[in-house]
Amino acid sequence: DVKVTQSSRYLVKRTGEKVFLECVQDMDHENMFWYRQDPGLGLRLIYFSYDVKMKEKGDIPEGYSVSREKKERFSLILESASTNQTSMYLCASSPDLQRVSTGELFFGEGSRLTVL
Amino acid sequence: DAKTTQPTSMDCAEGRAANLPCNHSTISGNEYVYWYRQIHSQGPQYIIHGLKNNETNEMASLIITEDRKSSTLILPHATLRDTAVYYCIVREYNAGNMLTFGGGTRLMVKP
Repeated sequence: DVKVTQSSRYLVKRTGEKVFLECVQDMDHENMFWYRQDPGLGLRLIYFSYDVKMKEKGDIPEGYSVSREKKERFSLILESASTNQTSMYLCASSPDLQRVSTGELFFGEGSRLTVL
Repeated sequence: DAKTTQPTSMDCAEGRAANLPCNHSTISGNEYVYWYRQIHSQGPQYIIHGLKNNETNEMASLIITEDRKSSTLILPHATLRDTAVYYCIVREYNAGNMLTFGGGTRLMVKP
C-alpha cells in the first residue's frame, strides 16, 4: 500500500515563527501536493511538484514556499507564520497523472497547525 | 467559478444505496470526473474516476450522463463507516497535475 507520511499531526506555533511541514511518500511517485483544508472552503491547493526541484503554484501560494530536493520528500515552509495560516495541511502524492489509467491522489493523515 | 456543484449534505439509511449527485456543466471533452471521500480526522481517499462511460469498482459505481454535465456516485449498500464528506472534482487535463476540491457533500449514514 502507498504510504504518505506527514511529520507532525499537531503543531502550535507563534506568529512570526518559521514553520516546516514535512511529507514523505514511499511509492516513487513523481507528483506531490500540499493542500490546506478549512471549514466551508474544502481543500485548496497551495503548491505542487511534478519532479525533483520542480514546483508550481496552486490556488493559494501566498505566504508559503516549498522544497523538493529528493523525489520522496516534499516540504512546505511558512517563512513567517500568521494566524490566518491556522489550518489543516494535507500532503498528497500521485503517479504520473498523464497516464489516464491512474490519476488518484494518496493523502497523508494531515497536520493541524495552530498559529497563536 | 466552481467547476462542480454538490449538495451540502445528505442522509442515507444503513444498508440502502446512497446516491450522491454532482453537476459539472462546464466540463470539457478531455476532463475526467473524480470522486474522493474524507472520513473525519483522516486524509481524503480516492474512490473512483471516469471520463464518459459508467465505471464500477469494489467501492462504488459512477454514472455519468450522456452529455457529461452531471454524474452520480452510488454506494450500493451504505454502512455507518461510509459517513464522510464526498468530493466530486474535475481534473483539468491541460493544467498540469492539479486537482481542485470544492466543498463536497457530507453524507450521514444512519442506523
